[in-house]
Amino acid sequence: DIQMTQSPSSLSASVGDTVTITCRASQSIDSYLNWYQQKPGKGPKLLMFATSNLQSGVPSRFSGSGSGTLFTLTITSLQPEDFATYFCQHSFLNPWTFGQGTKVEI
Amino acid sequence: DVQLLESGGALVHPGGSLRLSCAASGFTFNNYAMTWVRQARGAGLEWVASMSASGDKTYYADSVRGRFIISRDNVKNTLFLHMNNLRGEDTAVYFCAKDVDPDDYGLFDYWGQGTLVTVSS
Repeated sequence: DIQMTQSPSSLSASVGDTVTITCRASQSIDSYLNWYQQKPGKGPKLLMFATSNLQSGVPSRFSGSGSGTLFTLTITSLQPEDFATYFCQHSFLNPWTFGQGTKVEI
Repeated sequence: DVQLLESGGALVHPGGSLRLSCAASGFTFNNYAMTWVRQARGAGLEWVASMSASGDKTYYADSVRGRFIISRDNVKNTLFLHMNNLRGEDTAVYFCAKDVDPDDYGLFDYWGQGTLVTVSS
């Protein structure tokens, strides 16, 4: 199975900051990397797919990059509603696996 | 709007069985693969099982293969997860999720709110 490792596991930030989350795959997954946002008590929400494609309705302050085994999610000008946990996930081949999550908190 | 509503979570003894349901609305259910993903308390997400749009293909995580069965009713727009021989490590919130493709593409664009399964004596 492909292992997905996120860093950091948590970070503290302020409104207006730029934050970057890293996701590393245990083998190449081309660009089959997706990002989800989860808030307490809710199901995850798809933010970005295939590394850098914004899901419909997601603000442009979210951006993604990378390929192969190393990927990043960047949030510029952090807004209050962005405080949440973020998960990466590969869709290269089944079984689908997720990173352990990065909690963005104040 | 797409809605996925899970139900059926409960407290069950080790070795017991449970059936989860996910009622779908707001999209053409029989055009998309569907998936179950679980999340233990304070932990990450674990893919559990997927089924193709037509129901002819199923996929399982090693941790549940042989104990869980995924199924769907394309008339009632409902996804199911039949869970047998439950273990403590199956304790989690179970989410159903819609895939973007008729087959198991592994990209999930809508998720439910989840239903809690607790396995304990």
